[in-house]
Amino acid sequence: SQQGEEDPQALSIQEGENATMNCSYKTSINNLQWYRQNSGRGLVHLILIRSNEREKHSGRLRVTLDTSKKSSSLLITASRAADTASYFCATPFSGNTPLVFGKGTRLSVIA
Amino acid sequence: DTGVSQDPRHKITKRGQNVTFRCDPISEHNRLYWYRQTLGQGPEFLTYFQNEAQLEKSRLLSDRFSAERPKGSFSTLEIQRTEQGDSAMYLCASSTLWQNSGNTIYFGEGSWLTVV
Repeated sequence: SQQGEEDPQALSIQEGENATMNCSYKTSINNLQWYRQNSGRGLVHLILIRSNEREKHSGRLRVTLDTSKKSSSLLITASRAADTASYFCATPFSGNTPLVFGKGTRLSVIA
Repeated sequence: DTGVSQDPRHKITKRGQNVTFRCDPISEHNRLYWYRQTLGQGPEFLTYFQNEAQLEKSRLLSDRFSAERPKGSFSTLEIQRTEQGDSAMYLCASSTLWQNSGNTIYFGEGSWLTVV
């Protein structure tokens, strides 16, 4: 079963623009994570936000979490061509159980 | 710091053959996970281990799939009697068990399987 769903499925922007991706999930969580995957490669952890946090920053990344709406967003500012990748949100089934991933947002940043 | 290592990276096999993938996790990680990913989809959870104990295997796709982690270090994922629908990337990941800090997992580069 799928816990998180990303939106949009695909996003194409110009270099320098901001990219926003959204994730909705179904059940209560204690944390939500975002991962990145370059084509044909493994996933790389970007950022984790806990259920008692509303916003978190890491470099050009900003993640928000709205537990009342069961949604999160990932903002990449001043995008670069190297940001081209698929981005996934992931949540545990419950507690400390394995992560369940959404289908991802495929981001293309055009130079 | 050595990351998660998977072998082989690519495997082409004929339908009906058995294949085995190996995963070496980050050395201090006691949890190890297997996921499957098909084109355009997110990783699909298959099974996971805590040390040598397999804690969840109900999500393995069929009884043709099995996984082991005999000494709590490396793990193998075996697919018997492969079918074309098994063609996918098989991802291994590992993590520590930190109850209060979230369960960030670290992925290997994956093993691509093509069944012809």
